Amino acid sequence: ETGVTQTPRHLVMGMTNKKSLKCEQHLGHNAMYWYKQSAKKPLELMFVYSLEERVENNSVPSRFSPECPNSSHLFLHLHTLQPEDSALYLCASSQVAGGKNNEQFFGPGTRLTVL
Amino acid sequence: KQEVTQIPAALSVPEGENLVLNCSFTDSAIYNLQWFRQDPGKGLTSLLLIQSSQREQTSGRLNASLDKSSGRSTLYIAASQPGDSATYLCAVRQGGSRQLTFGSGTQLTVLP
Repeated sequence: ETGVTQTPRHLVMGMTNKKSLKCEQHLGHNAMYWYKQSAKKPLELMFVYSLEERVENNSVPSRFSPECPNSSHLFLHLHTLQPEDSALYLCASSQVAGGKNNEQFFGPGTRLTVL
Repeated sequence: KQEVTQIPAALSVPEGENLVLNCSFTDSAIYNLQWFRQDPGKGLTSLLLIQSSQREQTSGRLNASLDKSSGRSTLYIAASQPGDSATYLCAVRQGGSRQLTFGSGTQLTVLP
C-alpha cells in the first residue's frame, strides 16, 4: 500500500450503531487530519493530530471521537450519529502540522450514510 | 475569518481548449495555497502547492499562479482533455495555522 488509505470505503449505519473509520498513511508523516465533505459545502476540518497528540478540534460534536495510536494510524469512532452526519469523510497526512511546507495528501475517503 | 471563493462553480469546454480556473481569498496573510483535483466520490489529489513567496508553479499542462496581495490564484490548464474532467479545489493555509480553508470547487467537464 502506498500513500493514504482509508477503510471502509462505504458505510451505512443506523443512528444507534457504533462504528469506526480507519486511516493509515505510508508516507512517514507526523501529522494526520480528519475532514468532512458534505454535499454542496466546502471541506471542513474536524481534527488535527501532530505526533499522536490532538492539536485541533474544530467544535466537532462528541458523537465523533478521534483516536491516533501512532503516527501512521488514525481512527474516527462514531456513535449515535444523525442523518445530517452523512457525508464523505476524508483523512489526510502531512510531514508536519505546522511550518510553511506542510503539503497535505488525502486518502480516498469513506462515504458514510446514516439512516 | 478566511473565506475562499472559486468561480465559476461549473465549466464545460470542448477538448483542446486552454482554460483558467479562479480562486480568491479574503485574508492575504497565507503560508501557501494548494490546488487539488477530486474525481466523483473520491478523495483529493494534490496538483500544485505554491508558497506565499512564489508567484507560480508548473506541472505538465498545469500552471498555477499566486498574487497574494490581491488575494487571487489561477489554475491554467493547457490543451484540455476529457480525462481532466473533475472538480478542482483550491485551499489556503493561514499563517500560524495548521488548517486548510477550502473553496467550494469548480466542476470541470471537458467534452470529447
